[in-house]
Amino acid sequence: GDSVTQMEGPVTLSEEAFLTINCTYTATGYPSLFWYVQYPGEGLQLLLKATKADDKGSNKGFEATYRKETTSFHLEKGSVQVSDSAVYFCALSGGSSNTGKLIFGQGTTLQVKP
Amino acid sequence: DAEITQSPRHKITETGRQVTLACHQTWNHNNMFWYRQDLGHGLRLIHYSYGVQDTNKGEVSDGYSVSRSNTEDLPLTLESAASSQTSVYFCASSSGTAVAEAFFGQGTRLTVV
Repeated sequence: GDSVTQMEGPVTLSEEAFLTINCTYTATGYPSLFWYVQYPGEGLQLLLKATKADDKGSNKGFEATYRKETTSFHLEKGSVQVSDSAVYFCALSGGSSNTGKLIFGQGTTLQVKP
Repeated sequence: DAEITQSPRHKITETGRQVTLACHQTWNHNNMFWYRQDLGHGLRLIHYSYGVQDTNKGEVSDGYSVSRSNTEDLPLTLESAASSQTSVYFCASSSGTAVAEAFFGQGTRLTVV
């Protein structure tokens, strides 16, 4: 079945450092890919998405490119802030079934220190 | 504004009791989902629904049930609570296509003692 694998956390960075969180997926068909963010004590909210190969999703300085050849959707940000501290989830939908069922990775905790 | 709400936010119950967690959305979304979040496991799908009267099992459905009698609500019932069901539970909804964003509730923290 479809699955998503994220890099293990936690990731600890200093403010203004470069961030990469790796995400790879396994799916049949042509899934859509998402990054969700969860701030402490809150539910998940969409950060960005890409719906076809070579698409780049971007939001709030974060970017991720849908790479079908490497089945990857790595999250990047050039300069992180303390306010970016959160848990980040990579997810896919529409792989083996063309529906909105989301399959999540394990989540990566990011801690940014001043 | 449309929203998705869960209740209660926190619940402590005893082993063996039946517990129901509520989820209500005003987006008029066809799809609704229940996930549980546990350290080291991310979010795991419990049950989901693609519309009224439709329910499906997810990867960790044992011990849980749902029913969908209207578009707005998908209550999650733990038939006989077990300590292994101590977790944070999230409800989500989406419009029904593979590209659609899912909207999440704030979560319910359930403790089974």
